[in-house]
Amino acid sequence: GAVVSQHPSRVICKSGTSVKIECRSLDFQATTMFWYRQFPKQSLMLMATSNEGSKATYEQGVEKDKFLINHASLTLSTLTVTSAHPEDSSFYICSATPDRAIYEQYFGPGTRLTVT
Amino acid sequence: KQEVTQIPAALSVPEGENLVLNCSFTDSAIYNLQWFRQDPGKGLTSLLLIQSSQREQTSGRLNASLDKSSGRSTLYIAASQPGDSATYLCAVGSSQAGTALIFGKGTTLSVSS
Repeated sequence: GAVVSQHPSRVICKSGTSVKIECRSLDFQATTMFWYRQFPKQSLMLMATSNEGSKATYEQGVEKDKFLINHASLTLSTLTVTSAHPEDSSFYICSATPDRAIYEQYFGPGTRLTVT
Repeated sequence: KQEVTQIPAALSVPEGENLVLNCSFTDSAIYNLQWFRQDPGKGLTSLLLIQSSQREQTSGRLNASLDKSSGRSTLYIAASQPGDSATYLCAVGSSQAGTALIFGKGTTLSVSS
């Protein structure tokens, strides 16, 4: 149990385009999901907290108009990188907290974004 | 604001050695602490989860300890193997429910045969 999936696993896009990344909790409901970003040889940095039915809470320094987060259901959160630039190239990882176990967090396998 | 530090940043050892990875955190108001493994270009694999009320957890050749009052945790790897080569991340969970794990920068381990 407690499986989180991400799609796509890898994506290459051109500068100026937008790309959407999906995060799904497969076997549990998750009111709260998190989005992290990881640059090469760096640790995971929290970007935002996504709550179903409300606006996401962004960490300081993260542009909310550039990284659009939608948590439309209890099993799906999406991160859209708008007007992508090469510096947005990174590894994006989501995690989800089961509603039945609010102190636990399960991670997706990550999405490698490359902007050319 | 919680800060998590991991020492050393990198470590190289010959196969068979026992080793210790260190993690420290600034705010002792944690609910749990978790150690992860990350292989290059891959996602996270959870290794051990220690609740704040626990002192240690063991899984196979891995043993993690937690001293909440001093803000420290160690991951002990016994009889290291080349397959243990990876980056090891320490992450703390706040006592406030529904908040994200905060990660250290990791220790990159290389075990040579």
